Parts: sequence; structure tokens; C-alpha cells
Amino acid sequence: GENVEQHPSTLSVQEGDSAVIKCTYSDSASNYFPWYKQELGKGPQLIIDIRSNVGEKKDQRIAVTLNKTAKHFSLHITETQPEDSAVYFCAASRDYSGGGADGLTFGKGTHLIIQP
Amino acid sequence: EAGVAQSPRYKIIEKRQSVAFWCNPISGHATLYWYQQILGQGPKLLIQFQNNGVVDDSQLPKDRFSAERLKGVDSTLKIQPAKLEDSAVYLCASSTMGQKVQKQYFGPGTRLTVL
Repeated sequence: GENVEQHPSTLSVQEGDSAVIKCTYSDSASNYFPWYKQELGKGPQLIIDIRSNVGEKKDQRIAVTLNKTAKHFSLHITETQPEDSAVYFCAASRDYSGGGADGLTFGKGTHLIIQP
Repeated sequence: EAGVAQSPRYKIIEKRQSVAFWCNPISGHATLYWYQQILGQGPKLLIQFQNNGVVDDSQLPKDRFSAERLKGVDSTLKIQPAKLEDSAVYLCASSTMGQKVQKQYFGPGTRLTVL
């Protein structure tokens, strides 16, 4: 089955700086890679996702890059703000073009701390 | 649009007792997932339904866990009997069918403590 590794486990950055979180996956059949943000006491919130036919995707201060050959993908957050402090999870799954998708395999999470 | 609803939000039980969790997915979402999230880890898939049929339950401990999705809408997850290691947050997620990318949306979760 799929295995997703995520690094670092904790990341502390100064407000206004950039943060980068990296993930690797093992199953070459995986083609869908979402990122979730989880705040204390809440469920994971989808913040951005990318499919394997795209190398990069950006949404305001958040961007995700994918290297399908190396089987790794990264989350980039620029101009970090205090409200970005949370746990971030990467995930991978197989999405079928005819409809339907496998469940997600998650990394272990990165605790992002924004220092004022 | 209303999100995924779950209840109860918190539950404390003694080991060997039984417990049930309820999930109401986003309206129109055909696919429903249950995940277990142990403290400090990422969510782990337990079971996936498509309408009211099971698609994947390979990681569900079937000797003590069961789940059903009657009429293809609400779902319940049951644990009987509970063990200490079942202490976790149980998350329900749903997604649509028929789109190229199946975005999964999560509920707030039920935090289970087994004493």
C-alpha cells in the first residue's frame, strides 16, 4: 500500500518569512495530492491540492509543487501570518478518471509555529 | 452549504464498553469515509462507502469495529468492546462522485477516551 513520509515534524518561522513542508510517497499509482490544515479541536481543512499531471499550483500565499519522477511534493507558504499556525498534513491517493477515488493516506503532520 | 456533521463531539467510556458515532455527510455526497486519528499522527482510513456499499474496509479491525450507511446518507461507526488503544479522534469525511478530482471534506470529529 501507499506510504507517505512528511518532514519536518515541527517548523518554527518568523512572521513574514516563508515556510516549506516536504512529503514523499511510495506508490507510483497515486495521482492526487491534497494538503490539509488542522487547528486544535477541529477537523482537517483542505487548503490546496494537485494532480499528477500538474507540476505546480498556487493560491494566493500558498503553493504546492510536485515532482512525479522523484515521488515528492511540497507545500510553500509565503508571508506567513499568526493565523497560519496549525498542524499541516500532506496526503496521497489514487483518483480514477471514471469516477471514484481511494481513501487518503496521510503523512504524520508538521506543527507550524509562526513567531511574532 | 452545511458541512459534515458528527456527534457526539466527545465520549468517555470504560474499556470493554461499546460506543457508537454518527455522521451526516454534505448533501449530495455519494462517498463517505471514516478515519481514525491517534494523537500526534495523521488520520488513518478505516472504511470507505460509496452510496450504501462498502468500497474499502481493509484497515477496519472487524473483530470489534463495525460501520453501516443505511439509505446511502448517514453513517454510524460502532466499537464493541472498546480497548484502551481505541482512544483517538474519529473523523468522518465525504466527497462527490462524477468529478475528476474527489475532494474530501472532513467533519469536526468525535474525541473518544477509553479508560
